[in-house]
Amino acid sequence: SAVISQKPSRDICQRGTSLTIQCQVDSQVTMMFWYRQQPGQSLTLIATANQGSEATYESGFVIDKFPISRPNLTFSTLTVSNMSPEDSSIYLCSVVSGTNEKLFFGSGTQLSVL
Amino acid sequence: AQSVTQLGSHVSVSEGALVLLRCNYSSSVPPYLFWYVQYPNQGLQLLLKYTSAATLVKGINGFEAEFKKSETSFHLTKPSAHMSDAAEYFCAVSEGSRASKIIFGSGTRLSIRP
Repeated sequence: SAVISQKPSRDICQRGTSLTIQCQVDSQVTMMFWYRQQPGQSLTLIATANQGSEATYESGFVIDKFPISRPNLTFSTLTVSNMSPEDSSIYLCSVVSGTNEKLFFGSGTQLSVL
Repeated sequence: AQSVTQLGSHVSVSEGALVLLRCNYSSSVPPYLFWYVQYPNQGLQLLLKYTSAATLVKGINGFEAEFKKSETSFHLTKPSAHMSDAAEYFCAVSEGSRASKIIFGSGTRLSIRP
C-alpha cells in the first residue's frame, strides 16, 4: 500500500493569492494525479503528473492556473494561482501503487477563498 | 474517451433492505471499474474493483458489483442495508490495461431509513 501525506489539510486564502499544496508518498510511484472535488460534487481530474516531464492537464484546466511540480518519484506540488472564490474546493492527490494497481488518495486539502 | 454515468443522485432505502446503486460506463477498450465510498467528512475509500477477472466482484462491508458487458453496467449491491452505509458512493472507470487516469461519476448519496 501507499501512504500519502498531503498538506496543508485546510487553508483560508484571500482572493488573488496563490496556494501550493504538497503531496508526499512513502514509496516511489510513476504517476501521481491531482483531483478537485467542489462542494457537493464528484471528483474531477485536474492533471496527471509524471516525474521528468510536464504534467498533462485535462480539459478546462491550464498550467498557468494550476502549475504542478514533480521533482522526484515520491513528491509533487499543485499550486492554485490567482485564486478566486470559485476555486474553493477540496484538492486531492492520488497515486497508483502496488501489484494490484490500487489507487490511493491523500486526505485532501480543503481550500476556502474569500 | 471513457465516461461513467450514475443513475440517481440520491437513493434512500430502509435498514435491512436491498441496496442497489446504478452505474453505466462508456469505454473504447476493456475498462477497469471501481466503486468508491466517501463517508461524511472523510476521504475516499475503495469499495471494490473490477479488472477483467471474475465478473462478480466482492468488496468490503458486504458490497458487491457485477460487470455486465452487454449492458455496459457495473451496479453496486448489498443485500441488507445498515445505518452505517449512509455515505456518498462514486463509480469510476479507467481505460486500458493499467489503472491510471480514473474518471469519476457524479456520485450517489445513499440514505438509510430506520
